[in-house]
Amino acid sequence: DAKTTQPTSMDCAEGRAANLPCNHSTISGNEYVYWYRQIHSQGPQYIIHGLKNNETNEMASLIITEDRKSSTLILPHATLRDTAVYYCIVSRSPGGGADGLTFGKGTHLIIQP
Amino acid sequence: GAVVSQHPSRVICKSGTSVKIECRSLDFQATTMFWYRQFPKQSLMLMATSNEGSKATYEQGVEKDKFLINHASLTLSTLTVTSAHPEDSSFYICSASGQGGYGYTFGSGTRLTVV
Repeated sequence: DAKTTQPTSMDCAEGRAANLPCNHSTISGNEYVYWYRQIHSQGPQYIIHGLKNNETNEMASLIITEDRKSSTLILPHATLRDTAVYYCIVSRSPGGGADGLTFGKGTHLIIQP
Repeated sequence: GAVVSQHPSRVICKSGTSVKIECRSLDFQATTMFWYRQFPKQSLMLMATSNEGSKATYEQGVEKDKFLINHASLTLSTLTVTSAHPEDSSFYICSASGQGGYGYTFGSGTRLTVV
Protein backbone atom coordinates (compact mmCIF):
# COMPACT_ATOMS: atom_id res chain seq x y z
CA ASP A 1 0.00 0.00 0.00
CA ALA A 2 1.17 3.51 -0.70
CA LYS A 3 2.62 5.59 2.13
CA THR A 4 0.85 8.68 3.45
CA THR A 5 2.18 11.84 5.10
CA GLN A 6 0.12 13.88 7.55
CA PRO A 7 0.91 16.73 9.92
CA THR A 8 1.53 15.51 13.45
CA SER A 9 -1.00 17.81 15.05
CA MET A 10 -3.48 20.57 14.29
CA ASP A 11 -5.71 22.90 16.25
CA CYS A 12 -9.12 24.13 15.20
CA ALA A 13 -11.64 26.38 16.91
CA GLU A 14 -14.96 24.85 17.85
CA GLY A 15 -17.62 25.59 15.24
CA ARG A 16 -15.12 26.20 12.48
CA ALA A 17 -14.28 23.85 9.63
CA ALA A 18 -11.35 21.54 10.25
CA ASN A 19 -9.30 20.80 7.15
CA LEU A 20 -6.91 17.88 7.50
CA PRO A 21 -4.40 17.37 4.68
CA CYS A 22 -2.81 14.15 3.54
CA ASN A 23 -0.14 13.49 0.94
CA HIS A 24 -0.09 10.17 -0.90
CA SER A 25 2.09 10.89 -3.90
CA THR A 26 2.80 7.21 -4.68
CA ILE A 27 -0.85 6.14 -4.78
CA SER A 28 -1.73 3.59 -7.45
CA GLY A 29 -4.71 3.79 -9.76
CA ASN A 30 -6.63 1.06 -7.93
CA GLU A 31 -6.00 2.36 -4.41
CA TYR A 32 -8.64 4.07 -2.35
CA VAL A 33 -8.10 6.87 0.16
CA TYR A 34 -9.64 6.07 3.54
CA TRP A 35 -10.02 8.26 6.59
CA TYR A 36 -10.48 6.89 10.09
CA ARG A 37 -10.30 8.55 13.45
CA GLN A 38 -9.46 7.22 16.88
CA ILE A 39 -10.69 8.85 20.02
CA HIS A 40 -8.51 8.10 23.03
CA SER A 41 -8.68 4.44 24.17
CA GLN A 42 -11.29 3.47 21.60
CA GLY A 43 -11.19 1.53 18.36
CA PRO A 44 -10.84 3.47 15.10
CA GLN A 45 -14.01 4.82 13.54
CA TYR A 46 -14.56 4.87 9.80
CA ILE A 47 -15.20 8.35 8.44
CA ILE A 48 -15.15 8.30 4.66
CA HIS A 49 -13.33 6.91 1.66
CA GLY A 50 -12.96 7.71 -2.03
CA LEU A 51 -11.21 6.70 -5.21
CA LYS A 52 -11.21 9.68 -7.58
CA ASN A 53 -14.25 11.84 -6.98
CA ASN A 54 -14.92 14.05 -4.02
CA GLU A 55 -17.17 12.42 -1.47
CA THR A 56 -19.48 13.70 1.24
CA ASN A 57 -21.39 11.97 3.99
CA GLU A 58 -23.01 12.96 7.25
CA MET A 59 -19.66 13.16 9.01
CA ALA A 60 -17.29 14.80 6.57
CA SER A 61 -16.24 15.66 3.06
CA LEU A 62 -13.26 14.23 1.22
CA ILE A 63 -11.57 16.28 -1.45
CA ILE A 64 -9.12 14.38 -3.67
CA THR A 65 -6.88 16.32 -6.06
CA GLU A 66 -7.14 15.55 -9.73
CA ASP A 67 -3.75 13.83 -9.78
CA ARG A 68 -4.80 11.89 -6.64
CA LYS A 69 -1.51 12.68 -4.94
CA SER A 70 -3.14 14.41 -2.01
CA SER A 71 -6.46 14.77 -0.28
CA THR A 72 -8.16 16.84 2.39
CA LEU A 73 -10.66 15.70 4.96
CA ILE A 74 -13.10 18.43 5.93
CA LEU A 75 -15.13 18.40 9.14
CA PRO A 76 -17.55 21.26 8.38
CA HIS A 77 -18.43 22.35 11.91
CA ALA A 78 -15.96 20.93 14.39
CA THR A 79 -17.10 20.16 17.93
CA LEU A 80 -15.10 19.22 21.01
CA ARG A 81 -16.04 15.59 20.40
CA ASP A 82 -14.09 15.68 17.15
CA THR A 83 -10.82 15.82 19.10
CA ALA A 84 -9.07 12.62 18.00
CA VAL A 85 -6.22 11.18 15.97
CA TYR A 86 -7.17 11.14 12.28
CA TYR A 87 -5.61 8.55 10.02
CA CYS A 88 -5.36 8.85 6.26
CA ILE A 89 -4.80 5.41 4.74
CA VAL A 90 -4.36 4.24 1.18
CA SER A 91 -5.50 0.73 0.40
CA ARG A 92 -6.62 -1.42 -2.51
CA SER A 93 -9.37 -3.04 -0.53
CA PRO A 94 -12.71 -1.21 -0.64
CA GLY A 95 -13.80 -2.39 2.79
CA GLY A 96 -14.66 -5.93 1.92
CA GLY A 97 -11.27 -7.22 1.05
CA ALA A 98 -8.72 -9.53 2.54
CA ASP A 99 -6.03 -6.97 3.37
CA GLY A 100 -5.63 -5.28 6.71
CA LEU A 101 -4.95 -1.57 6.91
CA THR A 102 -1.54 0.02 7.41
CA PHE A 103 -1.85 2.86 9.90
CA GLY A 104 0.62 5.73 9.93
CA LYS A 105 1.01 8.14 12.81
CA GLY A 106 -1.99 10.24 11.87
CA THR A 107 -2.87 13.82 12.79
CA HIS A 108 -3.85 14.66 16.34
CA LEU A 109 -6.67 17.16 15.85
CA ILE A 110 -7.44 19.26 18.90
CA ILE A 111 -10.65 21.26 18.88
CA GLN A 112 -10.34 24.35 21.05
CA PRO A 113 -13.39 25.77 22.84
CA GLY B 1 -24.76 0.00 10.37
CA ALA B 2 -22.11 -2.64 10.84
CA VAL B 3 -21.23 -3.30 14.46
CA VAL B 4 -18.28 -5.23 15.86
CA SER B 5 -18.37 -6.13 19.54
CA GLN B 6 -15.12 -6.84 21.37
CA HIS B 7 -14.93 -8.43 24.78
CA PRO B 8 -13.61 -7.83 27.41
CA SER B 9 -12.84 -4.12 27.27
CA ARG B 10 -10.23 -4.42 30.02
CA VAL B 11 -8.42 -7.37 31.53
CA ILE B 12 -5.66 -7.72 34.08
CA CYS B 13 -3.91 -11.05 34.30
CA LYS B 14 -0.94 -12.55 36.04
CA SER B 15 2.27 -13.25 34.19
CA GLY B 16 2.27 -16.76 32.74
CA THR B 17 -1.48 -17.08 32.34
CA SER B 18 -3.51 -16.99 29.13
CA VAL B 19 -6.16 -14.50 28.12
CA LYS B 20 -8.85 -14.85 25.48
CA ILE B 21 -10.33 -11.85 23.64
CA GLU B 22 -13.51 -12.21 21.60
CA CYS B 23 -14.51 -10.27 18.53
CA ARG B 24 -18.04 -10.60 17.17
CA SER B 25 -19.72 -9.10 14.14
CA LEU B 26 -23.24 -8.43 15.35
CA ASP B 27 -25.23 -7.66 12.22
CA PHE B 28 -23.18 -9.00 9.34
CA GLN B 29 -21.10 -11.98 8.39
CA ALA B 30 -17.40 -11.27 8.55
CA THR B 31 -15.48 -13.41 6.11
CA THR B 32 -12.22 -11.87 7.28
CA MET B 33 -11.24 -10.45 10.63
CA PHE B 34 -8.08 -8.63 11.58
CA TRP B 35 -6.24 -8.24 14.87
CA TYR B 36 -4.18 -5.15 15.69
CA ARG B 37 -2.04 -4.16 18.63
CA GLN B 38 -1.38 -0.61 19.80
CA PHE B 39 1.25 0.36 22.34
CA PRO B 40 0.95 3.70 24.20
CA LYS B 41 1.45 6.76 21.99
CA GLN B 42 1.94 4.56 18.93
CA SER B 43 -0.18 3.68 15.96
CA LEU B 44 -2.05 0.45 15.33
CA MET B 45 0.03 -2.44 14.04
CA LEU B 46 -1.59 -5.30 12.17
CA MET B 47 -0.82 -8.59 13.90
CA ALA B 48 -2.77 -11.16 11.92
CA THR B 49 -5.56 -11.84 9.47
CA SER B 50 -8.07 -14.59 10.08
CA ASN B 51 -10.45 -16.11 7.58
CA GLU B 52 -13.40 -18.19 8.66
CA GLY B 53 -12.56 -21.87 8.70
CA SER B 54 -8.88 -21.54 7.88
CA LYS B 55 -5.61 -20.78 9.61
CA ALA B 56 -4.71 -17.23 10.42
CA THR B 57 -1.98 -15.36 8.56
CA TYR B 58 0.47 -13.62 10.86
CA GLU B 59 2.51 -10.51 10.13
CA GLN B 60 6.26 -10.74 10.28
CA GLY B 61 7.56 -10.75 13.83
CA VAL B 62 4.29 -11.90 15.43
CA GLU B 63 4.60 -15.26 17.18
CA LYS B 64 1.78 -17.51 16.04
CA ASP B 65 2.22 -19.88 18.97
CA LYS B 66 1.86 -17.03 21.41
CA PHE B 67 -1.09 -15.29 19.79
CA LEU B 68 -3.58 -18.00 18.91
CA ILE B 69 -6.36 -16.94 16.58
CA ASN B 70 -9.52 -18.91 15.94
CA HIS B 71 -12.20 -17.87 13.44
CA ALA B 72 -14.66 -20.72 13.78
CA SER B 73 -17.72 -18.92 12.47
CA LEU B 74 -18.62 -15.99 10.25
CA THR B 75 -19.43 -13.87 13.30
CA LEU B 76 -16.74 -14.77 15.83
CA SER B 77 -12.97 -14.58 15.99
CA THR B 78 -10.94 -15.05 19.15
CA LEU B 79 -7.40 -14.04 20.06
CA THR B 80 -5.73 -15.93 22.88
CA VAL B 81 -2.56 -14.48 24.36
CA THR B 82 -0.78 -17.51 25.79
CA SER B 83 1.70 -17.37 28.66
CA ALA B 84 1.31 -13.62 28.86
CA HIS B 85 4.19 -11.45 30.03
CA PRO B 86 4.29 -7.77 31.00
CA GLU B 87 5.64 -6.84 27.56
CA ASP B 88 2.37 -8.18 26.07
CA SER B 89 0.49 -5.43 27.88
CA SER B 90 -1.13 -3.41 25.11
CA PHE B 91 -4.38 -2.32 23.50
CA TYR B 92 -5.69 -5.08 21.23
CA ILE B 93 -8.24 -4.17 18.55
CA CYS B 94 -10.10 -6.34 16.09
CA SER B 95 -11.75 -5.32 12.86
CA ALA B 96 -14.00 -7.10 10.45
CA SER B 97 -14.38 -7.11 6.71
CA GLY B 98 -17.44 -8.27 4.89
CA GLN B 99 -19.70 -5.30 4.35
CA GLY B 100 -18.03 -4.37 1.08
CA GLY B 101 -17.44 -0.77 0.11
CA TYR B 102 -18.07 0.89 3.44
CA GLY B 103 -14.72 0.59 5.15
CA TYR B 104 -13.62 -1.78 7.83
CA THR B 105 -15.48 -1.89 11.13
CA PHE B 106 -13.43 -1.90 14.31
CA GLY B 107 -14.18 -3.20 17.76
CA SER B 108 -13.82 -0.95 20.78
CA GLY B 109 -10.55 -2.58 21.83
CA THR B 110 -9.28 -4.56 24.81
CA ARG B 111 -6.79 -3.08 27.26
CA LEU B 112 -4.60 -5.95 28.46
CA THR B 113 -2.41 -5.45 31.49
CA VAL B 114 -0.11 -8.28 32.55
CA VAL B 115 1.22 -8.02 36.09
